[in-house]
Amino acid sequence: QLQLQESGPGLVKPSETLSLTCTVSGGSISSSSYYWGWIRQPPGKGLEWIGSIYYSGSTYYNPSLKSRVTISVDTSKNQFSLKLSSVTAADTAVYYCARTEIAAAGTNYYYYMDVWGKGTTVTVSS
Amino acid sequence: VIWMTQSPSLLSASTGDRVTISCRMSQGISSYLAWYQQKPGKAPELLIYAASTLQSGVPSRFSGSGSGTDFTLTISCLQSEDFATYYCQQYYSFPQLTFGGGTKVEIK
Repeated sequence: QLQLQESGPGLVKPSETLSLTCTVSGGSISSSSYYWGWIRQPPGKGLEWIGSIYYSGSTYYNPSLKSRVTISVDTSKNQFSLKLSSVTAADTAVYYCARTEIAAAGTNYYYYMDVWGKGTTVTVSS
Repeated sequence: VIWMTQSPSLLSASTGDRVTISCRMSQGISSYLAWYQQKPGKAPELLIYAASTLQSGVPSRFSGSGSGTDFTLTISCLQSEDFATYYCQQYYSFPQLTFGGGTKVEIK
C-alpha cells in the first residue's frame, strides 16, 4: 500500500527558505503513471496547488508561486522535495504531498490526486 | 486561468438528507473534474474523478454529474461521517491544477 510522508522543519523564519521532503513508500516514484505534487492549506482556508513533478524531473508550478518555488525529485531515495524561498507569514499552512494518477480512458487522460500524505504544519514566524 | 465557483460555501443539513454541491467553471472543461472530501485535521480524500466516476471504496451514496461548465456532487442520504468539507478540482489545464473554494457540510 502506497504511503507518503512529509518531513521538515515546523518553524521557519520570515525571509528564509522553507524546505520539505516527501518520502514515498510501498511503491516506486519512478513510475510513468504518476505525477507527484505539493498542496498547501492555510489555517481555516481552502486548498492551494503549489506544483508537481514527474519522475523525469519535469516540473510545473502555480503561477502565483512560481518565482519562489522549486520542486525536485530524488529517485534513488524515492523522495521529492519542495523549497519555497522568501517566506512570509502568508506561507503559514499545512503542507501536503500527493500522488496524481494518470488514467487513460480512450483518447482522454484523467488526472486525480489519489494518495495523500497526512500533512505537516509549517509556521512562519520570527 | 480557469476560475471556479463552488457553492454554497456552507450547507446545513440533517442525517438522511439529500444534499447537492455545485461547482461552476469560467470556461468549459469537458469532464476533467474531481471531488474530494476533507475532515478536520485530515488530508483530503478522493471521492470522484472524471466528473462522475466513483473512486474505489467510496460509498455509492456519493455521485457526481455534469460536464462543460457546471458540475454537481450529490450525497443521496447524508450519514454522520459525511459531515466534512468538500472541494472540487479541475485538471483540464493539467499540469496546472485549481481547487474550488470548498463547501462545508455541517449538522443542522
